[in-house]
Amino acid sequence: GAGVSQSPSNKVTEKGKDVELRCDPISGHTALYWYRQSLGQGLEFLIYFQGNSAPDKSGLPSDRFSAERTGGSVSTLTIQRTQQEDSAVYLCASSLTLGQGNIQYFGAGTRLSVL
Amino acid sequence: TQLLEQSPQFLSIQEGENLTVYCNSSSVFSSLQWYRQEPGEGPVLLVTVVTGGEVKKLKRLTFQFGDARKDSSLHITAAQPGDTGLYLCAGHSNSGYALNFGKGTSLLVTP
Repeated sequence: GAGVSQSPSNKVTEKGKDVELRCDPISGHTALYWYRQSLGQGLEFLIYFQGNSAPDKSGLPSDRFSAERTGGSVSTLTIQRTQQEDSAVYLCASSLTLGQGNIQYFGAGTRLSVL
Repeated sequence: TQLLEQSPQFLSIQEGENLTVYCNSSSVFSSLQWYRQEPGEGPVLLVTVVTGGEVKKLKRLTFQFGDARKDSSLHITAAQPGDTGLYLCAGHSNSGYALNFGKGTSLLVTP
């Protein structure tokens, strides 16, 4: 597709369940980022990938959060044993390559609600 | 973490009015970016300012980067209902390529 695609657009889960969120970056973009947007906290960086290099996981809030990027394209963010405080919009972005001059293009996000 | 403070948090104005949104930090940034986000969508880049004192114009929007590269402002002239949205400033962290975002200014322009 022309833009960053995220699925599902909405996810409702029960506390304690695991969830997987998917991101399809723009074709040809080697860098992929995950952010979380919650009320009161704004947009927070979680993790980014660049090609086959080791990801920068410095923004992941706990070891319940993990992410993979298979084949340098699609990425999955997994949250294990979800908690109510995990409720937020999870945004994925991609850029042509890693570098501060590269524009990050965002998907529409996955709205996660943990009951 | 390099913090970005945005003000005001909320702004409700009538069509035709002017407004200014501020983005401030105690840290120096190599560049700052402004995004606009509409409900149910991701942020969309409006502009990047790089040089201290730089002024960029995008139609009715004027962006300024402070001389010391610690702050920026967004001025909208004759606001339109289509300007409604969440305005976010962001800068790159010192240690990597992730973006640090301010909490945003939510703008509502009523006809």
